[in-house]
Amino acid sequence: GEQVEQRPPHLSVREGDSAIIICTYTDSATAYFSWYKQEAGAGLQLLMSVLSNVDRKEEQGLTVLLNKKDKRLSLNLTAAHPGDSAVYFCAARDTNAYKVIFGKGTHLHVLP
Amino acid sequence: DMKVTQMPRYLIKRMGENVLLECGQDMSHETMYWYRQDPGLGLQLIYISYDVDSNSEGDIPKGYRVSRKKREHFSLILDSAKTNQTSVYFCASSGGANQAPLFGEGTRLSVL
Repeated sequence: GEQVEQRPPHLSVREGDSAIIICTYTDSATAYFSWYKQEAGAGLQLLMSVLSNVDRKEEQGLTVLLNKKDKRLSLNLTAAHPGDSAVYFCAARDTNAYKVIFGKGTHLHVLP
Repeated sequence: DMKVTQMPRYLIKRMGENVLLECGQDMSHETMYWYRQDPGLGLQLIYISYDVDSNSEGDIPKGYRVSRKKREHFSLILDSAKTNQTSVYFCASSGGANQAPLFGEGTRLSVL
């Protein structure tokens, strides 16, 4: 089945810098990807989703890039601010269309 | 209001007691999920429900069972809880293959 690797596990950036988180997946047939944000003590908040026919999507300071050839998905937070400090997860929807596989998360710290 | 609601938010039980975690959604989503989240292990899928009385094991179903008698309600049951079931449990629901799951706020379960 699908496997998702996420890196880095921890990331510290200064306010105003960019933060990039990368996920790689194994199943080239995977059709749907998502990014979530989890603040301390809270649930997972959906940030953005992309279908596999989309290479790039931008929304509210977030950019998702999908490289199907390399089976790589990335999330770029441009101009990060302290409120972006959280754990970020990527997710890939398995080809059976119901099972959703998560990366192990990236702890992002944005320093003032 | 699109929401997944989990009850209770916090629960302390003794080893051997039965545990009932409840989840509701107001979006008429067919698919619902139960995950557990542990440090270093990320999110692990326990069960998927495709609709009323149509449930399937996830990756770690041992020690758990589920019940879905109404589309908007999905329960996770631990019969004779064990200390290694101490975790944060998340419920999620999804409206289709191209919709990312939406998550509840989680239930923090401690089994003493």
